Amino acid sequence: QVQLVQSGSELKKPGASVKISCKASGYTFTKHTMNWVRQAPGQGLEWLGWINTYTGNPTYAQGFTGRFVFSFDTSVNTAYLQISTLKAEDTAVYFCARESTVWYAADYWGQGTLVTVSS
Amino acid sequence: QSALTQPPSASGSPGQSVTISCTGTSSDVGGYNYVSWYQQHPGKAPKFIIYEVSKRPSGVPDRFSGSKSGNTASLTVSGLQAEDEADYYCSSYGGSNNVIFGGGTKLTVL
Repeated sequence: QVQLVQSGSELKKPGASVKISCKASGYTFTKHTMNWVRQAPGQGLEWLGWINTYTGNPTYAQGFTGRFVFSFDTSVNTAYLQISTLKAEDTAVYFCARESTVWYAADYWGQGTLVTVSS
Repeated sequence: QSALTQPPSASGSPGQSVTISCTGTSSDVGGYNYVSWYQQHPGKAPKFIIYEVSKRPSGVPDRFSGSKSGNTASLTVSGLQAEDEADYYCSSYGGSNNVIFGGGTKLTVL
């Protein structure tokens, strides 16, 4: 069965960096683009962008270029989200979500990784 | 691009039907048939329940249905059950390889 297992919670100071992992299993990793979505405390879902796990081409949503970097390693079927120069407003749960075989729909989601940015 | 507009809350009694709206523009909801809906219980990851406006993934009860008229998409939950109490989010393709989410609607089963 398809599973996306994310790394554990992180507590970081402003200005630091964080790298979240999302290990996929139960399907061919390179056949599905991986989305990244975040949810600030008590707020709604926000699409950060996606990465094509076949071509390596990332697409970043408006406002998420520069400090946010998507990557992956096919040898371990794992996608990564790195955020640099963290700010307090980056405090959120970050989800990876597999793009379905139908366009613009995410059919399987990781459990989420809480990133807390606090001095 | 701005988030799609959803009502903050909706409610209904068990057995009733509730409809949640998701309003965008002609550049997103109105321009493409790529509207999806997700259900999220507290502390959990979202669950995929509708794609391409009105199609249900395997395993999703037919109590959940989707539709669209102009720039507004809708999710209807029929025969409300206690376990339907959750947050619901719409999303739409927004052109230029972008996806936009709605602000979410908290559904309460009275």
